[in-house]
Amino acid sequence: GESVGLHLPTLSVQEGDNSIINCAYSNSASDYFIWYKQESGKGPQFIIDIRSNMDKRQGQRVTVLLNKTVKHLSLQIAATQPGDSAVYFCPLLGGFKTIFGAGTRLFVKA
Amino acid sequence: EPEVTQTPSHQVTQMGQEVILRCVPISNHLYFYWYRQILGQKVEFLVSFYNNEISEKSEIFDDQFSVERPDGSNFTLKIRSTKLEDSAMYFCASSEAGSGNYIQYFGAGTRLSVL
Repeated sequence: GESVGLHLPTLSVQEGDNSIINCAYSNSASDYFIWYKQESGKGPQFIIDIRSNMDKRQGQRVTVLLNKTVKHLSLQIAATQPGDSAVYFCPLLGGFKTIFGAGTRLFVKA
Repeated sequence: EPEVTQTPSHQVTQMGQEVILRCVPISNHLYFYWYRQILGQKVEFLVSFYNNEISEKSEIFDDQFSVERPDGSNFTLKIRSTKLEDSAMYFCASSEAGSGNYIQYFGAGTRLSVL
C-alpha cells in the first residue's frame, strides 16, 4: 500500500548547524508533497510544499528537495535554531485526508 | 495572518457525557477536517467535510462522533457518550480545496480529558 515514512525517528543537531530530515514515499503517482512541523502542545504547522514537476524549492531557511527517481524527499534547515525543535512530518496526501506518520523529532543542542 | 481557532483549549468531562468541540476555520476555506492525537502517538485523521457533507471518514469516526457546520463560521465535533479512550488532543483543520493537493491549516487543538 501507499506509505510515507521518515528515515530517522530522532535527529540531534548543534545550534547553528544545518539539519537534513529525510522522507521516503511509495506512491510514484504522488504529485504534491508538504512538510509540516509540530511543536510540543501545538497543532501541525505548514512549512513548505513542492509539486512533482519541481526538484527543489526554497523558503526562508528551509529547502525541500524531491528525487522522484528514488521517491525521496528531504527537508534542509539552514542555521538550525532552538525554535526549530519539533517533530517534522511529510504526510501522505490523498483524497480528503492527510495521513501522518511518526515523524522525525529534531533536537537542537545549544 | 488568518488562522484556525479552536475552543475550548482544554475540556474536562466525565465518562458518558456529551462534548462539543468548536472550531472556526479560515474564512475563505471550503474544506474542514478533524484529527486527533492521543498523547505520545501519531496525528490521526477522523473526518473531512465539504458542502455540508462528510467527504471521508476513518474507522475511528464511529456512530459516537458527528460533525456539523451550524452556521457560516463554526465547525463542530460532537462526541455523544465519551469514553476514557477518547482522551486526546483534537485538531481542526481547513483548506481552500480538497483532493490532497492543498495545504491544510491546523488549529492549536482542544485537549479533551475524560475522567
